[in-house]
Amino acid sequence: DTAVSQTPKYLVTQMGNDKSIKCEQNLGHDTMYWYKQDSKKFLKIMFSYNNKELIINETVPNRFSPKSPDKAHLNLHINSLELGDSAVYFCASSQAGTFAEAFFGQGTRLTVV
Amino acid sequence: DAKTTQPTSMDCAEGRAANLPCNHSTISGNEYVYWYRQIHSQGPQYIIHGLKNNETNEMASLIITEDRKSSTLILPHATLRDTAVYYCIVRAIMDSSYKLIFGSGTRLLVRP
Repeated sequence: DTAVSQTPKYLVTQMGNDKSIKCEQNLGHDTMYWYKQDSKKFLKIMFSYNNKELIINETVPNRFSPKSPDKAHLNLHINSLELGDSAVYFCASSQAGTFAEAFFGQGTRLTVV
Repeated sequence: DAKTTQPTSMDCAEGRAANLPCNHSTISGNEYVYWYRQIHSQGPQYIIHGLKNNETNEMASLIITEDRKSSTLILPHATLRDTAVYYCIVRAIMDSSYKLIFGSGTRLLVRP
C-alpha cells in the first residue's frame, strides 16, 4: 500500500482554470503538508495542517486553498491558474511532536499552458 | 533560509563509499540533523537523522562532529540507484510544525 498518495500524477490545464490535487495518507499521521518544487528544483513548504487545522501558511497566493476534510486527507485547490503555478507539488505527512521522519507522495506535475 | 551548506555535486564509483559532507555551523542544541534524498522525479525520501551521536541504519551512516557544526552522510557501498540529490536539513526536536527547509542539496552521481 502506498503510504502517501496523490492524484493526479500529471495535470495539464489552461490559464484561468480552477483545479484540485488530492492527497491521502494511510499512516495514521496527524500532520500533513504541501510542498512546491519549481523548475529550479527548490522545494518549499506551502501549507501544513495538524489535526485538520492550518498551522503553517507560507507566503502563498490566496488562489491556493488547502482543505482537510479529515486527518488522512489534505487537498489543494488552485483558482485562476497562472503560468507561474507550473511546478511539481508534493504532499507529505508526519507525526507531530516527534522527531520521526516525514513521508512524501510521488508528486503531481502541474503544467499551466 | 536553509541552515546548511552542502557541495553542489559529487560523484563516486559504484561499490565504493559515498561520503557527503554538510556544514551546519549555526545549529542549536535542540536541533537534529536530518538527511533526505530525492531520486529523479520522485518524492523526497527520508534516510537518517541524529542529534550528536553517530547513527547507522540499513541505508546509511551519519557521522556528526563533536561540536555538531558539521556532519557526513556515508553510503557504504554506493549503487547506481543511489544517484540522487541529497539534502541535509536541521530541524528542532518536538517542532510541531515540522517545517523542513530544503536547501539546494548535493547531486550525487554514482558511476558504473
